Amino acid sequence: GAVVSQHPSWVICKSGTSVKIECRSLDFQATTMFWYRQFPKQSLMLMATSNEGSKATYEQGVEKDKFLINHASLTLSTLTVTSAHPEDSSFYICSAASVAKNIQYFGAGTRLSVL
Amino acid sequence: SQELEQSPQSLIVQEGKNLTINCTSSKTLYGLYWYKQKYGEGLIFLMMLQKGGEEKSHEKITAKLDEKKQQSSLHITASQPSHAGIYLCGADGRTSYDKVIFGPGTSLSVIP
Repeated sequence: GAVVSQHPSWVICKSGTSVKIECRSLDFQATTMFWYRQFPKQSLMLMATSNEGSKATYEQGVEKDKFLINHASLTLSTLTVTSAHPEDSSFYICSAASVAKNIQYFGAGTRLSVL
Repeated sequence: SQELEQSPQSLIVQEGKNLTINCTSSKTLYGLYWYKQKYGEGLIFLMMLQKGGEEKSHEKITAKLDEKKQQSSLHITASQPSHAGIYLCGADGRTSYDKVIFGPGTSLSVIP
């Protein structure tokens, strides 16, 4: 079964509103989680590394104030797309690092459509 | 920074044929993931290779890691329409804390 749960799987919102996406590790603690973005017919691009109890590390070109990341517990990281615009429409996928198994597990993804 | 290339970019095969997808890294591979994705859907974990020369199989899919060449190959035997999708390779760092860098993907279509 899935070891990383991502919610919601699909969200439609109006331009200017904020959307929160959750990523949960179900049966292991993840001090590190990652957020990826995927445009149609393109590969996954890393947006940021989410560290439990500290600030996220953003990749070059990713706006910190636009994509707020909170990793408040060892099993939950959230990505909030603030003041969403149509160009933010994309597929967002998270992953969680399992230290015990030295492997990353990926969520099923969230499709965001901004009208 | 590490970059991954995949070849071919896209592939169309007839059902029952064998095929191979290659993934080449610009740097040493400490770990290599293979995922399958259908458009607009999440990633389906296929397998992870961590040791040089390692080979893993799952059903009709076999993947190999050649650290010396900084390459991995994914081989599908007797392809079926259910194998259609996008295959992504991802390079892992030394530990699970390191970010995974993905290749551009290989689109596979299987014609019945």
